[in-house]
Amino acid sequence: DSGVTQTPKHLITATGQRVTLRCSPRSGDLSVYWYQQSLDQGLQFLIQYYNGEERAKGNILERFSAQQFPDLHSELNLSSLELGDSALYFCASSAGQGAVTEAFFGQGTRLTVV
Amino acid sequence: GQSLEQPSEVTAVEGAIVQINCTYQTSGFYGLSWYQQHDGGAPTFLSYNALDGLEETGRFSSFLSRSDSYGYLLLQELQMKDSASYFCAVNRDDKIIFGKGTRLHILP
Repeated sequence: DSGVTQTPKHLITATGQRVTLRCSPRSGDLSVYWYQQSLDQGLQFLIQYYNGEERAKGNILERFSAQQFPDLHSELNLSSLELGDSALYFCASSAGQGAVTEAFFGQGTRLTVV
Repeated sequence: GQSLEQPSEVTAVEGAIVQINCTYQTSGFYGLSWYQQHDGGAPTFLSYNALDGLEETGRFSSFLSRSDSYGYLLLQELQMKDSASYFCAVNRDDKIIFGKGTRLHILP
């Protein structure tokens, strides 16, 4: 158990809908990262937060947004969903930022858009 | 941009040694990491190289050469449970960027 909790584990929704994925980092970790992993693909970096502030952005679509709350949990919002958004979404956390030695991943949320 | 190249698949025999290479086209990063991911599971951290050279952790070793823009993960005494995907990653500018991963197949 990495200590990172993601909910829900599975999500099935229709095209055009909006969903929210939730992540609780390890106790004490200030950084949260979001990744998208499509079938047989690598981990695509979406966005990173540190202590409530957005610090880095990857190839995140405009339909997607995220935030990190004062209690350090984070949410990833996906809107106007398309079939191609079906993927595993991972959240990871680390104690700091920058020279991060190790990131701890949650078990992921499997999103299926039908 | 930042890109990391890894072989898509590698096959080895149980009990043998296998090396998974990672070449990159980026600079100014803090270190090179390796993660393991079993099918349907979460990536888990294996090793980190901040400096050039070899880091050893049990059956796993990782190597970095910044001058050659190259690193590798070495797995010894392969076990069937090592069948998984292995990702190299660099952290830079508050991002942790992953390669596309190498799927390791182990034959009995």
